[in-house]
Amino acid sequence: EPEVTQTPSHQVTQMGQEVILRCVPISNHLYFYWYRQILGQKVEFLVSFYNNEISEKSEIFDDQFSVERPDGSNFTLKIRSTKLEDSAMYFCASSRTGSGSQPQHFGDGTRLSIL
Amino acid sequence: GQQVMQIPQYQHVQEGEDFTTYCNSSTTLSNIQWYKQRPGGHPVFLIQLVKSGEVKKQKRLTFQFGEAKKNSSLHITATQTTDVGTYFCAGLNFNKFYFGSGTKLNVKP
Repeated sequence: EPEVTQTPSHQVTQMGQEVILRCVPISNHLYFYWYRQILGQKVEFLVSFYNNEISEKSEIFDDQFSVERPDGSNFTLKIRSTKLEDSAMYFCASSRTGSGSQPQHFGDGTRLSIL
Repeated sequence: GQQVMQIPQYQHVQEGEDFTTYCNSSTTLSNIQWYKQRPGGHPVFLIQLVKSGEVKKQKRLTFQFGEAKKNSSLHITATQTTDVGTYFCAGLNFNKFYFGSGTKLNVKP
């Protein structure tokens, strides 16, 4: 069964540095998402992406964050000037459509640790 | 702002006992999805409810969507150790999914 893949599985970065988290969504899916989960807490929506542009974003997704689909397969989340509170598990997800009528398929996540 | 509350936060049951988690939204939802996250894993889609008052079953799991489309529940009959994990509801409102805080289920054999 096709799956969403995320790299790296664990990223350790010094505070203030930039990080790029990478995702390869399922190939015939059109909508892509980033979520954040701080350890032991709920999953928080960051952003959804369709047709090469952001379709929705949350209050968390401020100017520190950006997303990009640099080629036909990758979907990236860039976090600039990282802060300690950015430490979390970041999940990428994709769905065939974005109407909310389709299940979202999640990757295994990237654990981001800011030192 | 939009909030999706989920209770209880934790539930410890003996294998064979039933389990229910409840999800409540501050606003009417377009639909609601349920996900299960095993320890150390990622959320896995279980089911979606769309219609007011809808009830769906998957083997020992029963999902309900309230008449006002503001609340939902997941009931597991006769829990098994394989049911261990955190169950999240995710409500759709204005094209954004709002996840509940999750209910962590522990099943003692």
